Amino acid sequence: DAGVIQSPRHEVTEMGQEVTLRCKPISGHDYLFWYRQTMMRGLELLIYFNNNVPIDDSGMPEDRFSAKMPNASFSTLKIQPSEPRDSAVYFCASSFGLGGYTFGSGTRLTVV
Amino acid sequence: SQQGEEDPQALSIQEGENATMNCSYKTSINNLQWYRQNSGRGLVHLILIRSNEREKHSGRLRVTLDTSKKSSSLLITASRAADTASYFCATDAYDYKLSFGAGTTVTVRA
Repeated sequence: DAGVIQSPRHEVTEMGQEVTLRCKPISGHDYLFWYRQTMMRGLELLIYFNNNVPIDDSGMPEDRFSAKMPNASFSTLKIQPSEPRDSAVYFCASSFGLGGYTFGSGTRLTVV
Repeated sequence: SQQGEEDPQALSIQEGENATMNCSYKTSINNLQWYRQNSGRGLVHLILIRSNEREKHSGRLRVTLDTSKKSSSLLITASRAADTASYFCATDAYDYKLSFGAGTTVTVRA
């Protein structure tokens, strides 16, 4: 298995633009998580899905953030409109039950 | 919110020495996990210890858990340059969400 695949690896966008981050979890994993990592706040859980259904989105900062999981092999995290304070590394992770998580390599987002 | 707090924040050791880092948490947990993150990379799962376990080993890693003190420790024996990374503890409070600490940055000097 190629692991959790995220794209793009790097994204630089202008303030106000829409940003879409993508994630392909490991086949057979039933949980998918989106985290954000910054120096100031560390790793923050944004949202997680179980069997493609959003379970807890209490970590989503505001309405500008949305996430979908249309099927077991794909999820997106969208920011619209983006702001400079959204600059961070965004990680997707998947797991089978609550075993260890497998993280993707992350998307480094810079909003200028 | 961060439930786990690692200590120390940073650790520098000589190759071949042991490295020990600690994690304290606030609420009851289902399990506690340790992850490693190399610079610019994603996190890698190292070991999971359940709340009814006290000690676990995996290769050169040894993890202990003391639920009465709400603390855990990670010991890396015979450290290597490749062990240079940040190490995070993460707790699951029976809600299928992992909360990560701020991490311990370990530097292994050759």
